[in-house]
Amino acid sequence: GENVEQHPSTLSVQEGDSAVIKCTYSDSASNYFPWYKQELGKRPQLIIDIRSNVGEKKDQRIAVTLNKTAKHFSLHITETQPEDSAVYFCAASSNDMRFGAGTRLTVKP
Amino acid sequence: DVKVTQSSRYLVKRTGEKVFLECVQDMDHENMFWYRQDPGLGLRLIYFSYDVKMKEKGDIPEGYSVSREKKERFSLILESASTNQTSMYLCASSLWIRGRTGWDTEAFFGQGTRLTVV
Repeated sequence: GENVEQHPSTLSVQEGDSAVIKCTYSDSASNYFPWYKQELGKRPQLIIDIRSNVGEKKDQRIAVTLNKTAKHFSLHITETQPEDSAVYFCAASSNDMRFGAGTRLTVKP
Repeated sequence: DVKVTQSSRYLVKRTGEKVFLECVQDMDHENMFWYRQDPGLGLRLIYFSYDVKMKEKGDIPEGYSVSREKKERFSLILESASTNQTSMYLCASSLWIRGRTGWDTEAFFGQGTRLTVV
């Protein structure tokens, strides 16, 4: 089955800086790559996703890039704000959605 | 709004008990998943189902079984609960877009069940 690795496990940035989280996957059949944000005590919620026929996608301060050849994809958050502090999960799916271990992002005011 | 509802928010069970965790979704999604979430380990896939009566093992199926008798309901069963199954359990569902290869879509999560086995 699919194996998703996520780095770093923790990330601390100053407000206004950028944050980058990276993931790799193993199954070349995976064609859907979502990113989820989980705030303390809440369920994970989708923030952005990308499909294998697209190399990059942007939504305001959030962007995701996908390199199918290298089997890695990244989340970029620009102009970080304290409310971006949360645990972020990447996932890869071809019907069996597997998640990375998560990145705890802390944005310091 | 998609709703994925898990039957219990908190459960405390004794070692050896048979435990049922229920999950219901109201959006006619084909795919349903059960994950457990432990600190530092992320969301680990236990079982998933892509159709009624269909089930596939995930990465950590040992000690668990599942049942999907109806499209909207996916049950996780702990045959004989053990203390190492103390965890947060999350159910999710997603729509499968049929095509030559098929596409998965956003997974919607339930609120989670925190299970403690004593």
